[in-house]
Amino acid sequence: SQQGEEDPQALSIQEGENATMNCSYKTSINNLQWYRQNSGRGLVHLILIRSNEREKHSGRLRVTLDTSKKSSSLLITASRAADTASYFCATDGYQAGTALIFGKGTTLSVSS
Amino acid sequence: GAVVSQHPSWVICKSGTSVKIECRSLDFQATTMFWYRQFPKQSLMLMATSNEGSKATYEQGVEKDKFLINHASLTLSTLTVTSAHPEDSSFYICSARDLGRVAGNEQFFGPGTRLTVL
Repeated sequence: SQQGEEDPQALSIQEGENATMNCSYKTSINNLQWYRQNSGRGLVHLILIRSNEREKHSGRLRVTLDTSKKSSSLLITASRAADTASYFCATDGYQAGTALIFGKGTTLSVSS
Repeated sequence: GAVVSQHPSWVICKSGTSVKIECRSLDFQATTMFWYRQFPKQSLMLMATSNEGSKATYEQGVEKDKFLINHASLTLSTLTVTSAHPEDSSFYICSARDLGRVAGNEQFFGPGTRLTVL
């Protein structure tokens, strides 16, 4: 099963521009995580934000969480060609031992 | 720390054969491991939850007799795709929860196994 949608499905920008991706989910969560996946490769964990947090930063990444709207956003500032990848949000429910449920993902293309 | 490995990283097999994929937590113990499947240009779909010493729990629509999961130890879970067909070609990714971490909700992902069935 999938939790929700990412928006946009695809995003093309120039190097140096900011990229914003949105994620919506359906059920109550314990935390929300963002992952990056280069084509044909495994997942790279980017950032985790807990349900009681509203914003978190890590380097060029900024994640927000609005539990009232059941949505999150990932902002990548000053994008680079190396940021070209697919980005997924994944939610973690309250029940211990549950799996992460992934959104459909946003494919980001950064051209130099 | 918290490394999960998968073996093999890629496999090509003939239709009708069975393929075993291993998922190992290298430096931590995992009572629970998860298996995901990812088709090209799609997201990860949870297939099953694997608990050490007990039967796996499969998601709706996933055939338990076709995708055999064995979680015999705290560091190893295996997924066997039986009688594989071309439609089973996919990227299979496992993840594991670290039993020793208090937060308990961190999952660590393997690098994935690319299965191609001819």
